[in-house]
Amino acid sequence: DGGITQSPKYLFRKEGQNVTLSCEQNLNHDAMYWYRQDPGQGLRLIYYSQIVNDFQKGDIAEGYSVSREKKESFPLTVTSAQKNPTAFYLCASKSGTNQPQHFGDGTRLSIL
Amino acid sequence: GENVEQHPSTLSVQEGDSAVIKCTYSDSASNYFPWYKQELGKRPQLIIDIRSNVGEKKDQRIAVTLNKTAKHFSLHITETQPEDSAVYFCAASRIGSGTYKYIFGTGTRLKVLA
Repeated sequence: DGGITQSPKYLFRKEGQNVTLSCEQNLNHDAMYWYRQDPGQGLRLIYYSQIVNDFQKGDIAEGYSVSREKKESFPLTVTSAQKNPTAFYLCASKSGTNQPQHFGDGTRLSIL
Repeated sequence: GENVEQHPSTLSVQEGDSAVIKCTYSDSASNYFPWYKQELGKRPQLIIDIRSNVGEKKDQRIAVTLNKTAKHFSLHITETQPEDSAVYFCAASRIGSGTYKYIFGTGTRLKVLA
C-alpha cells in the first residue's frame, strides 16, 4: 500500500474555512475513493471516481467536493457547509473490477 | 438500500482460542467479499477475500466462509494471538459489472487477552 499517499496526516480547520485533503497514487489505478470514519464506526463512502474527469457521489457527499483531473490524484475538499467535519478520512484505490481496494494512511481532520 | 450488517461489534477471546465474525449482506448481486484489519490509527489492510464462486477460503490461521443462499459470510481466526487485536471490517461488492462501490460493515473490535 505504499503507493497511496495521503497528506497531511493531521489537519485543523477553522470555522467557515474550506480545506483540501490530498490523495496521490502511483499504482496506475483507475478507481479512487474517499471514505469518512468516525470513532467506533465503519467506513462511509463520500465520493468515488472510476475514471479521469468523472466521479460519483457516495452516501454522505453533502459538504464535500472532489476533482479527478489526473489519474493519480483525487483531492477532497471539505467545505464550510460540512458542519461536523471532525473525522478520520481515508482514500483508497483499485486497479480493476476484479481487484481489491487498497487504502492510504489517512488524514485526521479536527476543528479549531 | 444496500447494506451489510456485522456482528458482534466487540469480541474478546483468550489467546489461543478461535474468533468468529459474521456479516450479512442485502444485495443478492454481490459477488466479492473482502475482509480488512485496521489497527489503531492506521489504514485498513486487506487480510483475505472471497468470490462467490467458492464457499470457503483459507490462509494460514484465517479463513472465510460464504453462504450465498443465506447471504452471509464469516471470518474465522484460529489460534488467536495478541497481534490479532484490531478492528475488522467486512465488505460486499459486485465485480465485473463496472460498479466499483464497496458496502462496508460497521466493524468488530477484537481483543485477544494474553
